[in-house]
Amino acid sequence: DFVMTQSPVSLSVSLGEPASISCTSSQSLLHTDGYNYLDWYVQKPGQSPQLLIYLGSNRASGVPDRISASGSGTDFTLKISRVEADDVGMYYCMQGLQSPRITFGGGTKVEIK
Amino acid sequence: QVYLQQSGPRLLKPSQTLSLTCVISGDSLSKNKNAWVWIRQSPLRGLEWVARAYYASQWYFHYGTTVQGRAMFEPDTPRNQFSLQLNFVTPEDSGVYYCARIKVDTLNRGIDVWGQGATVTVST
Repeated sequence: DFVMTQSPVSLSVSLGEPASISCTSSQSLLHTDGYNYLDWYVQKPGQSPQLLIYLGSNRASGVPDRISASGSGTDFTLKISRVEADDVGMYYCMQGLQSPRITFGGGTKVEIK
Repeated sequence: QVYLQQSGPRLLKPSQTLSLTCVISGDSLSKNKNAWVWIRQSPLRGLEWVARAYYASQWYFHYGTTVQGRAMFEPDTPRNQFSLQLNFVTPEDSGVYYCARIKVDTLNRGIDVWGQGATVTVST
């Protein structure tokens, strides 16, 4: 199985400041169709996970443009340009290239400083 | 708007059978291309894919390694719902179980709808 590694494990950020989360895959997630099969999810306290980004860099419906993602192959980054209180939660990357055997990263906890 | 409503928490003893149901509203279970999944979350394993099914002229089922041979994904098209049955549970099967939809049209657009989760506890 593909192993997904996230860093940092936790992140404390001041309101209005940027935040960045890294995700590394044990194997390339670049499909022959040209897309990277890497999604990002956030799980806010007491809630189910929710989709932020699909196929490497595409924002899901309703996701603000201060949240962006980039990367290709094995290295990916999620960025929040200006952290708001509503951004608190656990962030997960997930590979879908080996579908149906999808795997998630261990998560990054974002909290407000 | 698509919603997934899951059945409530479960408390089981080892070797018993877990049964969970997910009712779909706003979409059709047998709509081509979309896939339906069960994902569980525990402190031990984090987020772990359990089972997946999709309909493309017939049903296709896939199961995760830790449940292979014990799990069964059961679609119920008339009721527009699906279930997970997991036999011979152990404490390692404890966690929060989510049903979810993988949106697929011309592209795979991620797991875009999640149920609210159901807590499963396996203990003597």
